[in-house]
Amino acid sequence: QVQLQQSGPGLAEPSQTLSLTCAISGDNVSSNSATWNWIRQSPSRGLEWLGRTYYRSKWYNDYAVSVKGRISINPDTSKNQFSLQLNSVTPEDTAVYFCVRRGGDRTFDIWGQGTMVTVSS
Amino acid sequence: DIVMTQSPDSLAVSLGERASITCKSSQSVLYSSDNKNSLAWYQQKPGQPPKLLIYWASTRDSGVPDRFSGSGSGTDFTLTISSLQAEDVAVYFCQQYYSGPFTFGQGTKLEIK
Repeated sequence: QVQLQQSGPGLAEPSQTLSLTCAISGDNVSSNSATWNWIRQSPSRGLEWLGRTYYRSKWYNDYAVSVKGRISINPDTSKNQFSLQLNSVTPEDTAVYFCVRRGGDRTFDIWGQGTMVTVSS
Repeated sequence: DIVMTQSPDSLAVSLGERASITCKSSQSVLYSSDNKNSLAWYQQKPGQPPKLLIYWASTRDSGVPDRFSGSGSGTDFTLTISSLQAEDVAVYFCQQYYSGPFTFGQGTKLEIK
């Protein structure tokens, strides 16, 4: 069965970079039918889709306008994982971050366990 | 962006009774080419990620009890729990995947009366 395992620090300093990794088991980051997403959840913003990476003969990325210019989502085929980097963070970026698979015909069907990231000095 | 609005924000229902949550999208999420609505419902319990219950507005995900059902088309959708069980206490979200950015409703908290 497909599982996503998140890793990364739970604290980031203002103006620094938030970095998280999502390891995939039971599927492949290079799948031609899945997309690999990051979604965050906070009391003020609710559930917010941040962006995705996916492979369809070549690699594509899409990002939410709210974080465009600060975000990068990258696949790592050698480790079968994907990562999130969010630059220039502020306390408003404090949230639980989830890595999520969109599997083929279905929508967000597999979720990582979530990582609470606090932006604070 | 497509705005998703759920009602009510919270709901208390007696065990064994029916619970219904509605979700309205700011524009249609119906693909006319295949007559499918790009609308999903999730259940989230404290400390857990959301769990996919229903996609294409009315298709239950694998393993989801048949007391959960989804209906609606275009811009108006409903999640119904036919006979509320204690384990159904959770927050429920709708989500559109018709077009990016993929957006969620604000959530409905379901409790036992």
